[in-house]
Amino acid sequence: GQNIDQPTEMTATEGAIVQINCTYQTSGFNGLFWYQQHAGEAPTFLSYNVLDGLEEKGRFSSFLSRSKGYSYLLLKELQMKDSASYLCAVMDSNYQLIWGAGTKLIIKP
Amino acid sequence: IAGITQAPTSQILAAGRRMTLRCTQDMRHNAMYWYRQDLGLGLRLIHYSNTAGTTGKGEVPDGYSVSRANTDDFPLTLASAVPSQTSVYFCASSEEGETGELFFGEGSRLTVL
Repeated sequence: GQNIDQPTEMTATEGAIVQINCTYQTSGFNGLFWYQQHAGEAPTFLSYNVLDGLEEKGRFSSFLSRSKGYSYLLLKELQMKDSASYLCAVMDSNYQLIWGAGTKLIIKP
Repeated sequence: IAGITQAPTSQILAAGRRMTLRCTQDMRHNAMYWYRQDLGLGLRLIHYSNTAGTTGKGEVPDGYSVSRANTDDFPLTLASAVPSQTSVYFCASSEEGETGELFFGEGSRLTVL
């Protein structure tokens, strides 16, 4: 079966750096997405990786290793507003998105 | 402001009743989707539409139906609601269909008693 694994919850300190991991086993691969979802709100797009390597976008970076079935989202200079759930999703060979359950990130002052 | 509008935002429904969740987008996106989100689970695709006039089944289509009469509207209907359909429902759209970024509505919280 297809599976996306990410930690359920993580805690970090304001101003610090946190890395949220995502491992996947899917039927084929056509890209990996990261979305941010604040409590009670809709998910919003953060990043898309289809080739191996690091994509940097401001304080957020996303890394992909297709051979290892692994990605991470790196958040730098954490702010309180970064408290949210971070959803990892992989597009399989049929171009269907398979979603992880999300990682709830708690930022402490 | 351009985006996706869902209605209602919240609804309590008796089991066995019929319910339609409305979704309208003004971005002229071809592809639209309905997802449900349940605690501890990833988003699960219910139905999708790649373009007006066509629809397809997702991962969990049973008990739900959709229509796509035009580009902007994509309603989701529960013909006879059951308690297991209690969930938060998100409508989404994308410009590029298969590989594009998804834009989500604010969600409809449905409770079936």
